[in-house]
Amino acid sequence: NAGVMQNPRHLVRRRGQEARLRCSPMKGHSHVYWYRQLPEEGLKFMVYLQKENIIDESGMPKERFSAEFPKEGPSILRIQQVVRGDSAAYFCASSLEAGMVKNIQYFGAGTRLSVL
Amino acid sequence: GDSVTQMEGPVTLSEEAFLTINCTYTATGYPSLFWYVQYPGEGLQLLLKATKADDKGSNKGFEATYRKETTSFHLEKGSVQVSDSAVYFCALTSGSNDYKLSFGAGTTVTVRA
Repeated sequence: NAGVMQNPRHLVRRRGQEARLRCSPMKGHSHVYWYRQLPEEGLKFMVYLQKENIIDESGMPKERFSAEFPKEGPSILRIQQVVRGDSAAYFCASSLEAGMVKNIQYFGAGTRLSVL
Repeated sequence: GDSVTQMEGPVTLSEEAFLTINCTYTATGYPSLFWYVQYPGEGLQLLLKATKADDKGSNKGFEATYRKETTSFHLEKGSVQVSDSAVYFCALTSGSNDYKLSFGAGTTVTVRA
């Protein structure tokens, strides 16, 4: 029973390149969340998706960042034209239903993005 | 907005010592409170939770009590083991968007044999 799988675990990009982070939710989960952890800070919510729909993207920067969760395949967090300030750990979580009171978000091990 | 403040680490303890990690929060309304743990190389795992005032969450020997009067949710364990070495995160959700977790910065705990 595989957990939430994120890849790659480590990603190095030069300024101006694109970064693609992948997240495969737990089997049967249709709710996916992305969080970002900057150095010395807690995880910050970025976006909540269900299959083929973005439900809440209030925590995602308006420019250069996008997320999708297609009908088939993993969820993708895409960062275009990366800058040094994008260097962070990006965590994906999934849940069976929405809401933490009756459900649990299961987290992946994260992708550590380094921008040179 | 919602925020969580955690005791700064790192914390280093000997086996069988008592562990406390302080956590205080600011939130509108009545939040639900959580402790997550991240072992080396793994994702965050829910350790325990409490959804209303005076609730006590417990798991694996860890406990935390939701204190509304002091807006706190301190994590405690009476006798730690080397296997408890990990990063511990306090978190909350509140309001209608209760899927949106707000986290503290995390506390790194190292237990020595």
